[in-house]
Amino acid sequence: EPEVTQTPSHQVTQMGQEVILRCVPISNHLYFYWYRQILGQKVEFLVSFYNNEISEKSEIFDDQFSVERPDGSNFTLKIRSTKLEDSAMYFCASSEEHNEQFFGPGTRLTVL
Amino acid sequence: GQQLNQSPQSMFIQEGEDVSMNCTSSSIFNTWLWYKQDPGEGPVLLIALYKAGELTSNGRLTAQFGITRKDSFLNISASIPSDVGIYFCAGQLRPFGNEKLTFGTGTRLTIIP
Repeated sequence: EPEVTQTPSHQVTQMGQEVILRCVPISNHLYFYWYRQILGQKVEFLVSFYNNEISEKSEIFDDQFSVERPDGSNFTLKIRSTKLEDSAMYFCASSEEHNEQFFGPGTRLTVL
Repeated sequence: GQQLNQSPQSMFIQEGEDVSMNCTSSSIFNTWLWYKQDPGEGPVLLIALYKAGELTSNGRLTAQFGITRKDSFLNISASIPSDVGIYFCAGQLRPFGNEKLTFGTGTRLTIIP
C-alpha cells in the first residue's frame, strides 16, 4: 500500500541553525501539507501546497519557514534559523483532490 | 481561530468495554474526520463524515456527524488492546483537496489489564 515517507525520523540541531525536513508524498497525489505537533498537544496546520505554490499558511508559518518541491517526488520544509519553540513532531501529508489526507510517520525535531 | 474540544481527555477502560468520545466545535465544519495516533507515529484516518446527520461504521467503530455541524462522536465497541492510542477529531470547511485540517485536543485511550 502506498504511503507517505519522511526523513530523517529524528533531527537534533542547535538554536539558530537551518534544518530541512524531507517528505516523499504518495506518488499520484497533487496536494501536500505540513503539520506540527508539540509534545503532548494537538496537531496544528502549517501550510498547504499545490501546483508549485503555497495555497494557505497558518500564523505559525512565518518568514523563517519555507516549502519547496525540488523535483517530482520530494516535498521539503525548511526552517531558516531554528528556535527552541520549534521543537516538535513535523508531519507531512498528501491527498488527491476531494479526498482524505494521508500522513507520514513524522520527523521529531529537537532544538537545543 | 476555530477550536475543537474533545471529551473526555483520557479514558481508562477494561478490554471488551465499549468506548464513547465526542468532539465539539465553536463553529461549523462541513467534513468531520476521526484519526488515531499511536506513539511516535503519524495520525491514521479511521472514519470520514461528509454530511450532517450521517452515521458511518468501520468495523467496531461508529461515528456520527452532528446535525448542527458543530459536533461529532466516535464509538468503539468491544475494545481490544490495539485500540490503545490517542484519538483526534478533525474538521474541514470544505471536502476539497488543499483544505487544511483543524484538529481537536485528543482523547487518550488506555486499556487496563
